[in-house]
Amino acid sequence: NAGVMQNPRHLVRRRGQEARLRCSPMKGHSHVYWYRQLPEEGLKFMVYLQKENIIDESGMPKERFSAEFPKEGPSILRIQQVVRGDSAAYFCASSPPSLRLYNEQFFGPGTRLTVL
Amino acid sequence: QQQVKQSPQSLIVQKGGISIINCAYENTAFDYFPWYQQFPGKGPALLIAIRPDVSEKKEGRFTISFNKSAKQFSLHIMDSQPGDSATYFCAASIVPFFGNEKLTFGTGTRLTIIP
Repeated sequence: NAGVMQNPRHLVRRRGQEARLRCSPMKGHSHVYWYRQLPEEGLKFMVYLQKENIIDESGMPKERFSAEFPKEGPSILRIQQVVRGDSAAYFCASSPPSLRLYNEQFFGPGTRLTVL
Repeated sequence: QQQVKQSPQSLIVQKGGISIINCAYENTAFDYFPWYQQFPGKGPALLIAIRPDVSEKKEGRFTISFNKSAKQFSLHIMDSQPGDSATYFCAASIVPFFGNEKLTFGTGTRLTIIP
């Protein structure tokens, strides 16, 4: 059972370009979370998605950022018109659905975005 | 109220010693407290987790101590080894009736075990 997969692992963009980060959850997992880790800081929650639904986007910046988890294919985190402050490691995590139990979130290796 | 405060920021421990990392939270609705271990260039991996109905949980050399009244929890690593050198994050979450909830992370502790 492959773990959470993220690609690309490293992404370099110039200011104003678009960044697309992809996440394939573990097999059988229908919940996906995106977190951002700035240098020397902890992970900050961005968005929680289930298939075709955004459940919680309270951590997403209001502009330029969007996320989707379509019925088929990976989850995508899209950053439009990137700025230097977007440089960070972006981690995706997945978990299976459950009822009144907490399921572990399994993290991918991350995508390290560098904005020049 | 959603913050989780973690200390120390960095920690150096001699091989064989006990490493202790502390966290404190404000939101009394939190009822799931995991610890994650992260190596450079890798994603965080769950190390051990606790629910507030117990005051201590032990798995091998790793122990979580939980003080509900003080809203504090800590990670103890016994017989610390060089392979334990990593960044450790505490986290907290709410367990909803269905599905899951976001994790709120502490700021991390960089642990170095020296020979």
